[in-house]
Amino acid sequence: GAVVSQHPSWVICKSGTSVKIECRSLDFQATTMFWYRQFPKQSLMLMATSNEGSKATYEQGVEKDKFLINHASLTLSTLTVTSAHPEDSSFYICSTPPQGWDNEQFFGPGTRLTVL
Amino acid sequence: DQQVKQNSPSLSVQEGRISILNCDYTNSMFDYFLWYKKYPAEGPTFLISISSIKDKNEDGRFTVFLNKSAKHLSLHIVPSQPGDSAVYFCSLPSKLTFGKGITLSVRP
Repeated sequence: GAVVSQHPSWVICKSGTSVKIECRSLDFQATTMFWYRQFPKQSLMLMATSNEGSKATYEQGVEKDKFLINHASLTLSTLTVTSAHPEDSSFYICSTPPQGWDNEQFFGPGTRLTVL
Repeated sequence: DQQVKQNSPSLSVQEGRISILNCDYTNSMFDYFLWYKKYPAEGPTFLISISSIKDKNEDGRFTVFLNKSAKHLSLHIVPSQPGDSAVYFCSLPSKLTFGKGITLSVRP
């Protein structure tokens, strides 16, 4: 299956700073990547879909100016949390779109963001 | 509007016994249903899926059952092993919807 990496795996930052999370597809070219957020004991919530060469598509309720998504190339999608606040502390995960006959998604290992 | 419900947040079973994880859905317009497994601080990994035209799919120790009339999925793990301890999500492909997950603990 597809291999997806994320960097960093965890980050601690001060309130008001911006944090960039990278999502790389290591063995395939990704025209689309999905970004999820998971709060403790909650489900994975789809935040947005990044599209190579065009603007990201955001889910309802997700602030596009706060969560900047850039799909710079066919192997790199980035999520920047701007002016982070403690309530943005969460686990952020990227994934491929559903693939194959069973619509399987391949997820990155996730990034744990803690905003102090 | 929660399309996927996993009403039992946790399950604890003895090693060697069967683990049964349940999932209910509200929308019948899906071709596939999927289960993912997630360890702490890691991304989910695909476990098993089932086509909507089937009522059972088996892969080693893992079997997923689909009851379309009841809109109910269940994942059976037998025999359960300590390494199975993780959070299990059922997923619908449309809108990439996940349940809240069930934390399975398998006691040695």
